[in-house]
Amino acid sequence: GDSVTQMEGPVTLSEEAFLTINCTYTATGYPSLFWYVQYPGEGLQLLLKATKADDKGSNKGFEATYRKETTSFHLEKGSVQVSDSAVYFCALSGNQFYFGTGTSLTVIP
Amino acid sequence: NAGVTQTPKFQVLKTGQSMTLQCAQDMNHEYMSWYRQDPGMGLRLIHYSVGAGITDQGEVPNGYNVSRSTTEDFPLRLLSAAPSQTSVYFCASSYGMTGQSYEQYFGPGTRLTVT
Repeated sequence: GDSVTQMEGPVTLSEEAFLTINCTYTATGYPSLFWYVQYPGEGLQLLLKATKADDKGSNKGFEATYRKETTSFHLEKGSVQVSDSAVYFCALSGNQFYFGTGTSLTVIP
Repeated sequence: NAGVTQTPKFQVLKTGQSMTLQCAQDMNHEYMSWYRQDPGMGLRLIHYSVGAGITDQGEVPNGYNVSRSTTEDFPLRLLSAAPSQTSVYFCASSYGMTGQSYEQYFGPGTRLTVT
């Protein structure tokens, strides 16, 4: 069945460091791919999405490219800020919605 | 728009008690779902609905019931609470069924503790 595998956390970075959070997926057909962010005590909110191969989703300095050949959708940001501290979830929309286990990011000043 | 609302925000139950977690959305979304979030497990789908009067089971449905009498509301019932149901519960909604590019909108969550 469909599934999402996400990089284990937690991740701790200094402010202005480069961020990569790995995500790979298994799916039949052509799923849409998403990154969600969860700030402490809140629900999940959409960060970015891509609906077909080679699409790049971007928002708030984050970006991810839908790579069909490597079945990946890695999240990147060139310079993280303290306010980016949160839990990040990779997800796919196939026959159902599937989430990864989440990666906790802490950015220290 | 209020988006997706959930009540209560926190709840403590004793083993064997029943309760209903409320979820409502004002975006006229057809698709609604309930997830539970546990440490190291991500989000797991409990039940979902593709429209009023239609519900189906997700990955972890045991111990939970749902109904969808209106487009707006999708309550989750715990029939006889167990400590294993201690979790954070999220309700979500979207315009369309899964398999399309519609994003899901999440409520703020209900933190449930069963003692």
